[in-house]
Amino acid sequence: EPEVTQTPSHQVTQMGQEVILRCVPISNHLYFYWYRQILGQKVEFLVSFYNNEISEKSEIFDDQFSVERPDGSNFTLKIRSTKLEDSAMYFCASRLSGGGTEAFFGQGTRLTVV
Amino acid sequence: AQTVTQSQPEMSVQEAETVTLSCTYDTSENNYYLFWYKQPPSRQMILVIRQEAYKQQNATENRFSVNFQKAAKSFSLKISDSQLGDTAMYFCAFMKHVGGAQKLVFGQGTRLTINP
Repeated sequence: EPEVTQTPSHQVTQMGQEVILRCVPISNHLYFYWYRQILGQKVEFLVSFYNNEISEKSEIFDDQFSVERPDGSNFTLKIRSTKLEDSAMYFCASRLSGGGTEAFFGQGTRLTVV
Repeated sequence: AQTVTQSQPEMSVQEAETVTLSCTYDTSENNYYLFWYKQPPSRQMILVIRQEAYKQQNATENRFSVNFQKAAKSFSLKISDSQLGDTAMYFCAFMKHVGGAQKLVFGQGTRLTINP
């Protein structure tokens, strides 16, 4: 069964460092997302991406964040200068089409900023 | 903006019992979708069930069913014959109907424990 794959599963980084979280969405999907979940809290939307551009971004997704789909298969989230409060679980998701189609989630990347 | 509220932070039942998780939401939209996602200890989000707001019939998936009350903006999940593998965080989520790249708006989650 096709699945969304995220790497790494866990990343530890020092405050101020840049991190890139990687995702391989399901191959024929068209819509891509990043969500984050601070430990013990709800899942929050960060950004959606369609047709090689950002469709929507939340207020969390400030200038320190960027997304890219460099080669038609990978979908990356870059945090330019990490802060302690960026520590969270980051989930990538993809959807085949619009409407109410199911979002398929990856297993997440746990980011720890020290 | 849409909001989703799950008023039960934790619930615990015995195996084989039936349990109902509550969810309310607030929106001015008329057409939308509602979802229940399960997050087991592995942390991956897994779709449990989906409801289209323009359908009056409540969705069912095997042991999982919903009670969708559109006027009350309520969307509860019933798990029948609960199993140990149902132990997980459960998130209620809302998605607007209009547009393509619509995001999910999640509630705070309910931690469900099924006891042997």
